[in-house]
Amino acid sequence: LAKTTQPISMDSYEGQEVNITCSHNNIATNDYITWYQQFPSQGPRFIIQGYKTKVTNEVASLFIPADRKSSTLSLPRVSLSDTAVYYCLVGGSQAGTALIFGKGTTLSVSS
Amino acid sequence: DTGVSQDPRHKITKRGQNVTFRCDPISEHNRLYWYRQTLGQGPEFLTYFQNEAQLEKSRLLSDRFSAERPKGSFSTLEIQRTEQGDSAMYLCASSVAGTSGGRQETQYFGPGTRLLVL
Repeated sequence: LAKTTQPISMDSYEGQEVNITCSHNNIATNDYITWYQQFPSQGPRFIIQGYKTKVTNEVASLFIPADRKSSTLSLPRVSLSDTAVYYCLVGGSQAGTALIFGKGTTLSVSS
Repeated sequence: DTGVSQDPRHKITKRGQNVTFRCDPISEHNRLYWYRQTLGQGPEFLTYFQNEAQLEKSRLLSDRFSAERPKGSFSTLEIQRTEQGDSAMYLCASSVAGTSGGRQETQYFGPGTRLLVL
């Protein structure tokens, strides 16, 4: 499975847009990019998934450049409740069913 | 849909004791997974079931760890002769096989069982 690299931590203030970038230089042709969010003392929660260009849902947007070697999770107008760990994963159904998590990015939102 | 549930949420035990955790997946989800998460790390895959069949168990941490899903519904994870290094959060997740196409399938996680071995 492709290895991902993302910042260990980020700080933001309420109302700002937060962009978390993930590097995945060895992404395979069939791999998708998926982001999960985890609050303290809870299990991870799926946020968004994409293959190329841009994907948007009610929670976030995911930007993927043409070479797909990186991706950016964008959280618009964050609030205190967005304080969490965000994990970037790459893989596809051909890679098996196990999700491979790195250490993630700890986002801290302050007022 | 009540989500994935796990029981107990917290467990404190003494070294050398056996512990068993239960996971109830989302109804109709035929895949069930166990992960372990230590402080400051992402979840680490342990094993998974499709229905009652355990299809991957090579990543169970040692032969002290075992998991079952006898009727293809709930699952149990047992740790025998616990050690202090087993202290961690144990997460269960479930999903529906065959619906993701080529995508990485979406797994739905429970709240976890936090184990402390004294």
